[in-house]
Amino acid sequence: GENVEQHPSTLSVQEGDSAVIKCTYSDSASNYFPWYKQELGKRPQLIIDIRSNVGEKKDQRIAVTLNKTAKHFSLHITETQPEDSAVYFCAASFTAGNNDMRFGAGTRLTVKP
Amino acid sequence: GAGVSQTPSNKVTEKGKYVELRCDPISGHTALYWYRQSLGQGPEFLIYFQGTGAADDSGLPNDRFFAVRPEGSVSTLKIQRTERGDSAVYLCASRGTGRNEQFFGPGTRLTVL
Repeated sequence: GENVEQHPSTLSVQEGDSAVIKCTYSDSASNYFPWYKQELGKRPQLIIDIRSNVGEKKDQRIAVTLNKTAKHFSLHITETQPEDSAVYFCAASFTAGNNDMRFGAGTRLTVKP
Repeated sequence: GAGVSQTPSNKVTEKGKYVELRCDPISGHTALYWYRQSLGQGPEFLIYFQGTGAADDSGLPNDRFFAVRPEGSVSTLKIQRTERGDSAVYLCASRGTGRNEQFFGPGTRLTVL
């Protein structure tokens, strides 16, 4: 089955700097890669996703890149703000199947003011 | 519109007891997922429903866990003979037909003493 690994487990940046979180997946059939943000005690919230037919997607300060050959994808947050502090999870799924997601272990991002 | 809701928000029980956790998906969403999230980890897939049927229950850890969705809307996750290792946050997510995005509920924090 699918195995998703995520790095780093913790990341601390200064406000205004960029943050990059990386994930690798094992199942070449996976074709949908969402990123979720989870604040303490709250539900995971989808922030951006990418399908395997594109290599990059951007939404304001957030972007995701995908390298299908290497089976890795990354989340990029620019001009970080303290409210970006949270745990971020990557996930992978196969949309023609059940679409159940396999999650990485999470990255705790801290943005220092 | 209303998002995914889950009840109770917290459940404390004693080892060996039976518990039921409820999920109310977004109206019209035919796909429903249960995940379990342990402290410091990403959500772990348990079971997927398409309509009333459990299309994939491969993530259920053992036969103490089962789930139902009799009318294709509300789902109940049932855990028999609870063990301390069952303590976790149980998350429910739903997905609309033809869509990839899964929307999570707030979770039920289960504590087994």
